[in-house]
Amino acid sequence: AQSVTQLDSQVPVFEEAPVELRCNYSSSVSVYLFWYVQYPNQGLQLLLKYLSGSTLVKGINGFEAEFNKSQTSFHLRKPSVHISDTAEYFCAVSVGGRRALTFGSGTRLQVQP
Amino acid sequence: GAVVSQHPSWVICKSGTSVKIECRSLDFQATTMFWYRQFPKQSLMLMATSNEGSKATYEQGVEKDKFLINHASLTLSTLTVTSAHPEDSSFYICSAPHTGTPSTDTQYFGPGTRLTVL
Repeated sequence: AQSVTQLDSQVPVFEEAPVELRCNYSSSVSVYLFWYVQYPNQGLQLLLKYLSGSTLVKGINGFEAEFNKSQTSFHLRKPSVHISDTAEYFCAVSVGGRRALTFGSGTRLQVQP
Repeated sequence: GAVVSQHPSWVICKSGTSVKIECRSLDFQATTMFWYRQFPKQSLMLMATSNEGSKATYEQGVEKDKFLINHASLTLSTLTVTSAHPEDSSFYICSAPHTGTPSTDTQYFGPGTRLTVL
């Protein structure tokens, strides 16, 4: 079985500052890794995914994440956040593209002016 | 891009009644769909896997007789919450993999259905 740990339940940050949202996973097999964003009362939107290849993955809205196999981490970063980035962010893993996802507990990013 | 819709987006019902939630893949076929439940300020938890033409697979602790799943076609899965109670109030989200090669399949999520049981 797989598990995902998001170490920070909330991350407050000022507008235009950099941010890192942390994600660690546990799995006995190779996994695919994902970051999703959820705005209030909405579904999930895919930010980026790591399937294989380059460990630095670039996604939408200026976000990027780096897969670190030795540390079993997949931290999400953005160099300069906007007010509109305020949302809930979920890290997730799956053992295949057609398999269900296992989600972390989520990190609430709060961007302040 | 691929789109998954859900209907209704929100529903309020009385305790003891049944509620049906639809999940549709609008521009692709999905032999498999997933149903998740999200309680307030919590993460998404997989409830069941909906399989077109066969029985759904339920996660441990999810009552299959309470949460009826029917995958009637390659674009539609329904979740029926039978005899709903206030503790069933939650945000229900479906997803469907848009198949390319197995390594590039992407899960697309519906916008969710907010169920409130009075």
